[in-house]
Amino acid sequence: GQSLEQPSEVTAVEGAIVQINCTYQTSGFYGLSWYQQHDGGAPTFLSYNALDGLEETGRFSSFLSRSDSYGYLLLQELQMKDSASYFCAVVGAGSYQLTFGKGTKLSVIP
Amino acid sequence: DTAVSQTPKYLVTQMGNDKSIKCEQNLGHDTMYWYKQDSKKFLKIMFSYNNKELIINETVPNRFSPKSPDKAHLNLHINSLELGDSAVYFCASSQDTGGYETQYFGPGTRLLVL
Repeated sequence: GQSLEQPSEVTAVEGAIVQINCTYQTSGFYGLSWYQQHDGGAPTFLSYNALDGLEETGRFSSFLSRSDSYGYLLLQELQMKDSASYFCAVVGAGSYQLTFGKGTKLSVIP
Repeated sequence: DTAVSQTPKYLVTQMGNDKSIKCEQNLGHDTMYWYKQDSKKFLKIMFSYNNKELIINETVPNRFSPKSPDKAHLNLHINSLELGDSAVYFCASSQDTGGYETQYFGPGTRLLVL
């Protein structure tokens, strides 16, 4: 089976940097994805890491360490519109599906 | 143009009724999914179809039946609705069986069973 752990809530100040961690346990592993979901909205794809290291996409970066079964999403220059839930999701080997974590609710305050 | 669309957006119904949710994608993707998101925002896959073939059937009650008339459509029919079925149901699609990591979600159908 697969399981993922991420903090349930994080609060950060506008303009700051925040890191959302995700640890996973899986019997097989292809990669780690991140999704953003605003209240009342649909999940939207942010990033995917299949290899160790940092992937940068604008203000957002995602990191993966396969040996540590650990990844994180880094959000820089936080804006109020970044207030949302962020989900990590594992692509498991042979499972042909995404298994989502329970999500981290990020609140950006002025 | 909407990439993944679902109808209806809201569905309020009585326990015991049968209802359907429709999903269509215009992205040309081969794989489509149904997810259930509960009140705690836990997102769990229910079904996946690749080129009209069921490739995942998670342990959901057999009251739920997916139907895919073609690879652009994946509908969800629910029989004998129960209170616990109240949730948001999302349809999603991805490029192919090797592109699971990047899924495009529809706006969701908010189902309330009274």
